[in-house]
Amino acid sequence: DTEVTQTPKHLVMGMTNKKSLKCEQHMGHRAMYWYKQKAKKPPELMFVYSYEKLSINESVPSRFSPECPNSSLLNLHLHALQPEDSALYLCASSQGYDLGSYEQYFGPGTRLTVT
Amino acid sequence: DQQVKQNSPSLSVQEGRISILNCDYTNSMFDYFLWYKKYPAEGPTFLISISSIKDKNEDGRFTVFLNKSAKHLSLHIVPSQPGDSAVYFCAASRNTNAGKSTFGDGTTLTVKP
Repeated sequence: DTEVTQTPKHLVMGMTNKKSLKCEQHMGHRAMYWYKQKAKKPPELMFVYSYEKLSINESVPSRFSPECPNSSLLNLHLHALQPEDSALYLCASSQGYDLGSYEQYFGPGTRLTVT
Repeated sequence: DQQVKQNSPSLSVQEGRISILNCDYTNSMFDYFLWYKKYPAEGPTFLISISSIKDKNEDGRFTVFLNKSAKHLSLHIVPSQPGDSAVYFCAASRNTNAGKSTFGDGTTLTVKP
């Protein structure tokens, strides 16, 4: 299984809603990532988890809350978002930079619209 | 300060010819470089990579060249096929930065039949 899956594919939420994005991989990868991508822009790193511990938070607002329940799962909890948070949210995984592996495998993304 | 730059937003090539995508970087501490391809409505797909201790890596139709003195890398696709039409991102990583990759803005490649 060489796939990263993300659910849901599309999400529309109001500014007062609470929702979660889910990401799963079964490649035994030890590093997992959340990115935000706006149209015609490169992916923008939000969080990195390594061995289920948060290792990088790129100064992301607290209305985004990541969680790594186990080595295969990564969640992104959303609360009180703003319309400018509308974007494609990408999850990725890699074997682990400590193993000299930097290639990241991306999921298809969740298209989020905040109304 | 944008540490990884792809100065050509777009490139158009005839099928069967060579496509050359370029990438420049400013941080000499990067020790791994990667290329990703992205189709619309999909996540990026890893294509090929190169360590900073090498100057060339080849995988089928794809070859990446690294010129450390010029802080420049390029991706060659030979022969180009219409299915190669996509956005190509160059990325760079440091082994001391928790696997964080810095991405360029991307180049949209169009291969015409």
